[in-house]
This record gives sequence, structure tokens and C-alpha cells, in this order.
Amino acid sequence: EAGVAQSPRYKIIEKRQSVAFWCNPISGHATLYWYQQILGQGPKLLIQFQNNGVVDDSQLPKDRFSAERLKGVDSTLKIQPAKLEDSAVYLCASSFDSGTPHEQYFGPGTRLTVT
Amino acid sequence: SQQGEEDPQALSIQEGENATMNCSYKTSINNLQWYRQNSGRGLVHLILIRSNEREKHSGRLRVTLDTSKKSSSLLITASRAADTASYFCATGGYSGGGADGLTFGKGTHLIIQP
Repeated sequence: EAGVAQSPRYKIIEKRQSVAFWCNPISGHATLYWYQQILGQGPKLLIQFQNNGVVDDSQLPKDRFSAERLKGVDSTLKIQPAKLEDSAVYLCASSFDSGTPHEQYFGPGTRLTVT
Repeated sequence: SQQGEEDPQALSIQEGENATMNCSYKTSINNLQWYRQNSGRGLVHLILIRSNEREKHSGRLRVTLDTSKKSSSLLITASRAADTASYFCATGGYSGGGADGLTFGKGTHLIIQP
């Protein structure tokens, strides 16, 4: 089966510019997550969607970050305006809600460099 | 903040040796997962152990969980060069239908020397 797709793979922007990342989860996975991974650290959850509704966005810096999942499939994460500390890899993950503890499937990530 | 803390931060061993890495966490959990990350395959799930389990095996992997000590260990036996990667423990992942995002530690960077 096809994995989680993300684009672009790399992005370099200047501070105060805006940027958007796209994610297409595994077919049939209702739950989609965005994580931020800063160099040398583990991934940190930004937002979780269940179908097209937000389940958890408690760690999303809402003054500059936004995300949507129209039609409950693809998702877009946006940063506007970007700061130097936003340099990180942005990982998208999806999972099948089986009603029991389950694994998450991660995409290759988008490496963002803010200069 | 990060829930899990892996130990050691870095580990270098010879091919064929066993590698053990540990994870400690702070709050009660429903399950604990281990993931591997390398440049070739990204972040990949290895094994999930539930809070009512003490040990679980998958191929050359053995995971233990001690909920009384809030700790887990991952053992990789007969290591191979392809095992070179960062290993993360993650907690969360299921809360009965609600928020189930994972909380990761900083990871253990494992290097297998040929």
C-alpha cells in the first residue's frame, strides 16, 4: 500500500515569509497528525485531525501556524509569518482508528530552513 | 515538554553485539511504542507494548515495560549495520477515542560499527 505522502521535501524561506506543507495520508486512515521535529529532538505533536475535525491543537502556535483538512483526506499546514526557530522537519502521520492502541505511519517529512 | 527520556543519548557497538536502550516516562500510560528513524526510511514503528504487558518480542527486538518504575527498555540482538539509526520511545497514542498524539523522547542514536 502507498505510504503517507508529503510535499515539498525541502523548503528554504526567509523569516517573515509564509510557507505551506501538504500531506496525503494512507487511504482509509481517518486520523491525521502533524509533528514538528527540531534537530536533535524527538517529534512534537502540533495538531491531530479526526476526519476533517480538529481533535487536539493544544501545542499549535496559533498566532502563526494554521492547518486544515478539507474533505477529511489531504491536509495543509501553514506558517505565516515564519521565524528562525521554525526551522525543523515537519512530519505528517496517519493512523487507522481501530478502537485499540495503534501505531502511526509517518511520511518522509518536509525539511524547512528559515534564514 | 517531552514525556520520555531515552538513555543513553548515543551508543556505539560492534556489529553482532546486542544493543540496549532505556526509556523513562513521567505519567501513567496506556501503551508505549518504540520507533526508529534513519535517513533512508524516515520514522518507522517498531513495536507497541500495552500497559498490562511486561515483555514483547518482534524478530530481533525485545521490549520490556515496568509500569511501577515508569520505564521501558529496547533490546536489539545480533546488531547489523542497517540498525544504525535513532530510536525513540513514545507514549500516548490511545485515549479511548480522543486525543491520541504521541509524545516522544529525545532518542538514542545507535551506531553499529562494521
